[in-house]
Amino acid sequence: SAVISQKPSRDICQRGTSLTIQCQVDSQVTMMFWYRQQPGQSLTLIATANQGSEATYESGFVIDKFPISRPNLTFSTLTVSNMSPEDSSIYLCSVVSLDGNTIYFGEGSWLTVV
Amino acid sequence: AQKVTQAQTEISVVEKEDVTLDCVYETRDTTYYLFWYKQPPSGELVFLIRRNSFDEQNEISGRYSWNFQKSTSSFNFTITASQVVDSAVYFCALSEERTGGFKTIFGAGTRLFVKA
Repeated sequence: SAVISQKPSRDICQRGTSLTIQCQVDSQVTMMFWYRQQPGQSLTLIATANQGSEATYESGFVIDKFPISRPNLTFSTLTVSNMSPEDSSIYLCSVVSLDGNTIYFGEGSWLTVV
Repeated sequence: AQKVTQAQTEISVVEKEDVTLDCVYETRDTTYYLFWYKQPPSGELVFLIRRNSFDEQNEISGRYSWNFQKSTSSFNFTITASQVVDSAVYFCALSEERTGGFKTIFGAGTRLFVKA
């Protein structure tokens, strides 16, 4: 199994600021994803983090608002830029096991924008 | 189009009752994967099961069982003899292969309350 560490686990942010969330996996994985879970809602895929190239964003999400980096197979960052209260969510990092059988999730980063 | 429907928003049962959580999916692919996840109040997502589209065998794991029926595009989840610790939100998810990898989408979730 893969162990995923996300930082920060929680934060309260001021409107207009940006915050970078880190995701570290304890083993090499092929695919890494970033999801958002707004309060009381399901998970929505933001983007696929591609190693060494630009992330692939889903409809409704753009690089200027959610820049993503993935410099190697075990690490990725998601930045939430120019935050507004609507960005208050749990942001989850997700990876796929090498055998493709399981999708693992980090514990999530709970952001509150005030 | 890729879609997952969990029509039951909330279910409330009394401990020891059996409960079935429904999941209906839509896909144009012949190869796909279905998942169930549990999200307890603490917030972490716990992987429960993965099924590929070519394996329609039902599966049982302790008090959990899953019924996969391609004919009705359903992947239902049953908890037998429910316990208070089963109280959580349960998500059904569908993964399809895409260029460079695959994409997973989640249903809206079903919140299960198990009362003592």
